[in-house]
Amino acid sequence: SAVISQKPSRDICQRGTSLTIQCQVDSQVTMMFWYRQQPGQSLTLIATANQGSEATYESGFVIDKFPISRPNLTFSTLTVSNMSPEDSSIYLCSVVSGQGYNEQFFGPGTRLTVL
Amino acid sequence: AQSVTQLGSHVSVSEGALVLLRCNYSSSVPPYLFWYVQYPNQGLQLLLKYTSAATLVKGINDFEAEFKKSETSFHLTKPSAHMSDAAEYFCAVSYSGGYQKVTFGTGTKLQVIP
Repeated sequence: SAVISQKPSRDICQRGTSLTIQCQVDSQVTMMFWYRQQPGQSLTLIATANQGSEATYESGFVIDKFPISRPNLTFSTLTVSNMSPEDSSIYLCSVVSGQGYNEQFFGPGTRLTVL
Repeated sequence: AQSVTQLGSHVSVSEGALVLLRCNYSSSVPPYLFWYVQYPNQGLQLLLKYTSAATLVKGINDFEAEFKKSETSFHLTKPSAHMSDAAEYFCAVSYSGGYQKVTFGTGTKLQVIP
């Protein structure tokens, strides 16, 4: 298993500003993922972050808006840039572990409110 | 393309009653299927998973799910609901072959009435 922590746990931000969310894993993992969960909605994958390569973004998400860093095998950051109220969501970091990569572990999430 | 459909965004059961949360999947190849639970203000926790072994899968907290290929279903059940089961439950689908993208359903919020 993997234990994941995220900082901050929640924040209230003004529109036009940026927020960087940190994700720390207690073991080395190859693949890390960032998800968005908008109020009352399911999870939407933003991007996959592999160490040593550029993040791969899903349709509808771009690097300028959601830059991601992956400096090592236990850490990643997601920045939400030039925020608007529509960015108010829970942002979740996750990793895959286990044989066959079929078990996904999630962090507790960062609850973001943009005013 | 793969997808999951969860019937019922909200389900209410009495404490001690059977819990049944429905999930139907669509996948062009044999799927891997998952149920996750999200308690208030927390991340997602894996309840159980089906990865092409036994069709009846047992998970944590007495939850189980049965893979039925003929019905393309993976419904989640628990014989007796407990107050602590109140949470949101997500069904998800992926498939084999190294890491494959996981697609989540829209979630079912379970309310347990004392």
